[in-house]
Amino acid sequence: DIQMTQSPSSLSASVGDRVTITCRASHSISSYLNWYQQEPGKAPKLLIYTASNLQSGVPSRFSGSGSGTDFTLTISSLQPEDFATYYCQQSYSTPWTFGQGTKVEIK
Amino acid sequence: QVQLQESGPGLVKPSQTLSLTCTVSGGSITSGGYYWSWIRQHPGKGLEWIGYIYYSGSTSYNPSLKSRLTISVDTSKNQFSLKLSSVTAADTAVYYCARGAPTIFGVVIHYHFDYWGQGTLVTVSS
Repeated sequence: DIQMTQSPSSLSASVGDRVTITCRASHSISSYLNWYQQEPGKAPKLLIYTASNLQSGVPSRFSGSGSGTDFTLTISSLQPEDFATYYCQQSYSTPWTFGQGTKVEIK
Repeated sequence: QVQLQESGPGLVKPSQTLSLTCTVSGGSITSGGYYWSWIRQHPGKGLEWIGYIYYSGSTSYNPSLKSRLTISVDTSKNQFSLKLSSVTAADTAVYYCARGAPTIFGVVIHYHFDYWGQGTLVTVSS
């Protein structure tokens, strides 16, 4: 199985901050990396697919980059509704696997 | 707008079979090359992909669950289902159904989960 490791596991930030979350794969996964946002008690929501493609309806302050084993999710200016947990997920090979999550909290 | 809705018992006894159904509305389960998936989340933990089914009936399962798992599809009802046998407390989780949507790179296709059900908590307890 391909292991996905996110860092940090949690972070505290203020509204307006630029936030970067990193995801590392145990093997090269080309650009087959997706990002999701999960608010408490809700289903995950797709933000970014294949590393850098913004899902329809997702604000442009979210962006993704990377290829191979190292990927980043960036929120350019954190908004109150962005406080949530973020997961990366590889679709390079089954079993599809997720990172452990990064919780973004209010400073 | 595609919607997915999980249904099934919220409480299952140890050693019994967990059964859930996902009803798809707003689109046909037979269209578009989608992989209809189950994903679970243990309380306070991360996400675990369980498996998927194509409308034709072809499946892919997580090897960690494969010996206990059956995913099936009923195209006449626009539903797909999950059966997990011999459950233990370790199977207590929120179970989500989701649509795996394809992105095509030449002859290679990769997937992302673009629509999700709201999730249903299944507790394994006597």
